[in-house]
Amino acid sequence: QLQLQESGPGLVKPSETLSLTCTVSGGSVSDRTYYWAWIRQPPGKGLEWIGSFYFSGNTFYNPSLQSRVTISVDRSKNQFSLRLSSVTAADTAVYFCATLKVGMTAPKFDYWGQGRLVTVSS
Amino acid sequence: QSVLTQPPSVSAAPGQRVTISCSGSNSNIGSNYVSWYRQLPGTAPTLLIYDNNKRPSGIPDRFSGSKSGTSATLGITGLQTGDEADYYCGTWDSRLSAYVIFGGGTKLTVL
Repeated sequence: QLQLQESGPGLVKPSETLSLTCTVSGGSVSDRTYYWAWIRQPPGKGLEWIGSFYFSGNTFYNPSLQSRVTISVDRSKNQFSLRLSSVTAADTAVYFCATLKVGMTAPKFDYWGQGRLVTVSS
Repeated sequence: QSVLTQPPSVSAAPGQRVTISCSGSNSNIGSNYVSWYRQLPGTAPTLLIYDNNKRPSGIPDRFSGSKSGTSATLGITGLQTGDEADYYCGTWDSRLSAYVIFGGGTKLTVL
């Protein structure tokens, strides 16, 4: 059974870069049956897909964030990471990492991390 | 504002049946299948329904899903107080590769 755990700073200053890491256990980030994804949820609001990484190196990003987002994988550590640059208060949210099953006719996020609250404030 | 439209809230008494709608367009629900997620307070979402009407193992048959045209519906029968949660629909947006969109979420209150 896959387990995901987010880690990283809980406070980021405006205009700086948000960096989070998701550590995978019980499976491998080289697993070709999954995209490795990030989703966020501003306080009291709904879910927003940020982007996904596939083992081949292909990345897919939400167009609204594409210019600021990078998702990458570190196979040696069995982790994948999120970087979001030039953050503002609007980027304050709980950030979830999750697995997205490949080849599904509907987005199937099977496994989720517990979430990491990141606050953007000076 | 979410591309998929859900009612902000629904409510029903224990034991009753409730439905939650999710409305989209031809470029999302109209050309793809739908998933539903449940989010209990303070926790991560969990998968309830995928491919419109399939339940992952462990999800009771009190939960059902359907899709017609550009809308989808989640149904919950035999409501329990433990069903109080936020519910989200999700699907692909066909305009881009692997582009996921979610509804704005519906808060279910069991009276």
